[in-house]
Amino acid sequence: GAVVSQHPSWVICKSGTSVKIECRSLDFQATTMFWYRQFPKQSLMLMATSNEGSKATYEQGVEKDKFLINHASLTLSTLTVTSAHPEDSSFYICSASVLAGKNTGELFFGEGSRLTVL
Amino acid sequence: LAKTTQPISMDSYEGQEVNITCSHNNIATNDYITWYQQFPSQGPRFIIQGYKTKVTNEVASLFIPADRKSSTLSLPRVSLSDTAVYYCLVGDPGTYKYIFGTGTRLKVLA
Repeated sequence: GAVVSQHPSWVICKSGTSVKIECRSLDFQATTMFWYRQFPKQSLMLMATSNEGSKATYEQGVEKDKFLINHASLTLSTLTVTSAHPEDSSFYICSASVLAGKNTGELFFGEGSRLTVL
Repeated sequence: LAKTTQPISMDSYEGQEVNITCSHNNIATNDYITWYQQFPSQGPRFIIQGYKTKVTNEVASLFIPADRKSSTLSLPRVSLSDTAVYYCLVGDPGTYKYIFGTGTRLKVLA
């Protein structure tokens, strides 16, 4: 199956700093990527939809200036958590739709990135 | 948005068959139903996908009735390593956003 890779898998940072998480589709082109966050023992919450070459679409309640998403190429999307605070500590997961534009529901997920803000 | 409803948790014993049902009453005509498995601190992993009737692969079967308002994931002869959270997803027809429900936390006991 298609492979999606995230980096870093875990990161610890100080409060007030910014952290960038990369999401790459290794063997396919992803027109659309999705970013989720997940708190312990909870489900994945969709944060934003990232389309190559255009601005991301954010879900209600997600601050676009806080969570900067860039999808500059068909194989790379980045999520930058700006001025991170302890409440931003979470597990961030990206996914990509191989058949973008067709509603098959098939998504491939990255391994996730655990962010801890001190 | 197509929402899903699943049991919060289930327990089973090794070697038993486990059936997890998902309700998706407002599924759209073009939506597919996909099930994922997630272990702690890992991204979800694809299990199986279907549109209608029955689909089977090497790890699971998926049963979808004619009205497609529900689906049942069947795991034959579970083992301890199948302890995980299982999510069913249906694709959002207008925006291609995929909303996760609560998932079902399956615990397999020895």
